[in-house]
Amino acid sequence: AQSVTQPDIHITVSEGASLELRCNYSYGATPYLFWYVQSPGQGLQLLLKYFSGDTLVQGIKGFEAEFKRSQSSFNLRKPSVHWSDAAEYFCAVLTEGNAGNMLTFGGGTRLMVKP
Amino acid sequence: EAQVTQNPRYLITVTGKKLTVTCSQNMNHEYMSWYRQDPGLGLRQIYYSMNVEVTDKGDVPEGYKVSRKEKRNFPLILESPSPNQTSLYFCASTGSAGELFFGEGSRLTVL
Repeated sequence: AQSVTQPDIHITVSEGASLELRCNYSYGATPYLFWYVQSPGQGLQLLLKYFSGDTLVQGIKGFEAEFKRSQSSFNLRKPSVHWSDAAEYFCAVLTEGNAGNMLTFGGGTRLMVKP
Repeated sequence: EAQVTQNPRYLITVTGKKLTVTCSQNMNHEYMSWYRQDPGLGLRQIYYSMNVEVTDKGDVPEGYKVSRKEKRNFPLILESPSPNQTSLYFCASTGSAGELFFGEGSRLTVL
């Protein structure tokens, strides 16, 4: 069965600093990978997704993620964090050919931004 | 505006009192699902539906029921809620590219 691990439960960075959130997945075939962001009191918003092709994908709000098959990773990055990026971030994997009903989420990483 | 709408957003109830959380989407999506979110566990799927009258269990279905009589609606039913069902619940519908569109969440407390 597929699984998703986000090793960091909490991360604190200073505003303007770079950010990398880690995500590792376990799945036998080519995964479909997602990053979602959840602001306090809000639902989840899709940041970006990887299905195939270029392994570096660009998303909204200046985020990007790189798929590395050899490391089974899909880490999320941002070169310069803004205070409004404080939120919880979830990585997710979708089984191939299964349009949404087998989406597995990681436990989430809560990002705090220091002024 | 494309959206997924859940109601109620907040609910406090007592053990054993049946409740229903409604979910409606206006995007004509076939696939819909329910998740619960608990600290440190991320989101876990409760039930999903591939189309009208087609539903199936997710990872944590115990204590829940769903129905899908119309494409746009996918209510979550707790016949006899218990305190371990205190959680934050999200409904989602799936777009053609596999991405999920989430409702704003329903925070349920069972006393």
